[in-house]
Amino acid sequence: DVKVTQSSRYLVKRTGEKVFLECVQDMDHENMFWYRQDPGLGLRLIYFSYDVKMKEKGDIPEGYSVSREKKERFSLILESASTNQTSMYLCASSRDRVTQGTQYFGPGTRLLVL
Amino acid sequence: AQSVSQHNHHVILSEAASLELGCNYSYGGTVNLFWYVQYPGQHLQLLLKYFSGDPLVKGIKGFEAEFIKSKFSFNLRKPSVQWSDTAEYFCAVMRYNNNDMRFGAGTRLTVKP
Repeated sequence: DVKVTQSSRYLVKRTGEKVFLECVQDMDHENMFWYRQDPGLGLRLIYFSYDVKMKEKGDIPEGYSVSREKKERFSLILESASTNQTSMYLCASSRDRVTQGTQYFGPGTRLLVL
Repeated sequence: AQSVSQHNHHVILSEAASLELGCNYSYGGTVNLFWYVQYPGQHLQLLLKYFSGDPLVKGIKGFEAEFIKSKFSFNLRKPSVQWSDTAEYFCAVMRYNNNDMRFGAGTRLTVKP
């Protein structure tokens, strides 16, 4: 079974803090994704990565950056957290472009910015 | 940009009732289509997917979905729901040979025992 883990289930930060959300997958997947999930808005894609050191903007990249130094790890960074970034953050991975694989999701990190 | 519309935000049914959740997308090219489910307190997990072939797709737990290309739709159905189907359901669309997926806003299903 594919396993996608996220470093924290719950996180409370203050406005202006730098926040790191970590995601690790154990199935040697090429692709990794970060979404935020908000009630009534579904999942919105923040950033994704097709390969190590590669990144692509999703629909709502403003206020976020990402890092993929190793294939199994994809980090989401909030440079200066703001209250409107309070949300549930979901990481996902999928196999590769050729197989157009299903995305497998982690348990999510619920972030509260005060 | 492609978008995905789910018509119902919250559906409340009694056990044994039939379910149909609507999903429409706006992208005109070849697409791959998915339904994901999120049970309370659990991960998002795949319910079923359509890549090609028979437009009627069967998934886990008795769910099925029908792809109607002319209507840009991929509606989810189940003939008889159970209390354990209470969850949030998300439709998702991926352009062919691409890997970024777009999700609908989700439909919360409550099944009353």
